[in-house]
Amino acid sequence: DGGITQSPKYLFRKEGQNVTLSCEQNLNHDAMYWYRQDPGQGLRLIYYSQIVNDFQKGDIAEGYSVSREKKESFPLTVTSAQKNPTAFYLCASSIPFGGRGQETQYFGPGTRLLVL
Amino acid sequence: EDQVTQSPEALRLQEGESSSLNCSYTVSGLRGLFWYRQDPGKGPEFLFTLYSAGEEKEKERLKATLTKKESFLHITAPKPEDSATYLCAVQAYNQAGTALIFGKGTTLSVSS
Repeated sequence: DGGITQSPKYLFRKEGQNVTLSCEQNLNHDAMYWYRQDPGQGLRLIYYSQIVNDFQKGDIAEGYSVSREKKESFPLTVTSAQKNPTAFYLCASSIPFGGRGQETQYFGPGTRLLVL
Repeated sequence: EDQVTQSPEALRLQEGESSSLNCSYTVSGLRGLFWYRQDPGKGPEFLFTLYSAGEEKEKERLKATLTKKESFLHITAPKPEDSATYLCAVQAYNQAGTALIFGKGTTLSVSS
């Protein structure tokens, strides 16, 4: 089955620790995205990548880093510089410049990050 | 500035009681408007994409409509399993390949 997988489902971070969230897709989509969701707020974009080996900052990139070495994978690292990392993290993918119906973003199941 | 506002924030319905959710948007050239359903602790599930004013799409008890300023998600004779948060998002023509702009969502509770 085609889809997006995220792991782990829950992640605990200690003070000063960097943690990495995994996102893998087998939809053959070129573009991948990371969003952050906080209670009572809309989804906010952290980083996006339209093609392998290229990525762009979103609205709230400070304290986060990404890589895009493979089309299928777009891991997100939450660094110690992110002072308020507790949130629900969502990965999505799409065909960014396709015709109508192709640019829909499909989401993974999410990772909940908690601070110890 | 591109913006999406959803109302109401929360809606409680009795089973079978039809209603509508609203999504008002301002965007510099609409490329597409998207509706998603999100269950607690899960990722958003895609429902519909609307592209131009006057367009309508249906899926089971849900019907989405679009005007030049807003979209409605009509829920006909809802069932308890329709309880979820419904998210609306837009994409502008000059933002192709980038983020969707999301509203904060409407949380629907349907009781039997």
